[in-house]
Amino acid sequence: LAKTTQPISMDSYEGQEVNITCSHNNIATNDYITWYQQFPSQGPRFIIQGYKTKVTNEVASLFIPADRKSSTLSLPRVSLSDTAVYYCLVGDRWSGGYNKLIFGAGTRLAVHP
Amino acid sequence: EAGVVQSPRYKIIEKKQPVAFWCNPISGHNTLYWYRQNLGQGPELLIRYENEEAVDDSQLPKDRFSAERLKGVDSTLKIQPAELGDSAVYLCASSSSDRSSYEQYFGPGTRLTVT
Repeated sequence: LAKTTQPISMDSYEGQEVNITCSHNNIATNDYITWYQQFPSQGPRFIIQGYKTKVTNEVASLFIPADRKSSTLSLPRVSLSDTAVYYCLVGDRWSGGYNKLIFGAGTRLAVHP
Repeated sequence: EAGVVQSPRYKIIEKKQPVAFWCNPISGHNTLYWYRQNLGQGPELLIRYENEEAVDDSQLPKDRFSAERLKGVDSTLKIQPAELGDSAVYLCASSSSDRSSYEQYFGPGTRLTVT
């Protein structure tokens, strides 16, 4: 299973766009990239998943370059409520990798007024 | 739709005492997971069930931890006896066996403090 590396912490201000980059140099051909968000005293919550190029939903965008060795989670116009820990994970979606999630320490995002 | 339910939310026990956590997954989800999350770390998988069968328990400390999922619905995780190092948040998650659905849905967790 590919290991991921992401910044330990980031700071931002309300209304700014936040980009969190994750490195996964050993990503396998069948691996998908998934991001989860965790608020204090809650379990992680799925945000977005992608395989290549760009994926966008109502919460975030995920940018994946052609070599797929990294990915960037983009949060547009963050608010105080986006303060959370963000986890980047990779796994084979179709061979059960989606249920072998290996969480790292994540990126602790603090949004300031 | 109700989410993953866990109880209790908090538990404080003395070391060497037993403790049990309960989880009720989302209705229809065949796969159930137990994770442990230490302070400042991401969740670590302890055990995964497919229906009643534990298909991945390689990370479960079997000398003191046990789990069961009778009837393939709710599940119980037990620690006996508890040690100081077991203080953590224990998370339960569930997912659908439908491979087009790849999300894991987590409960709020049980925060265990061993004194």
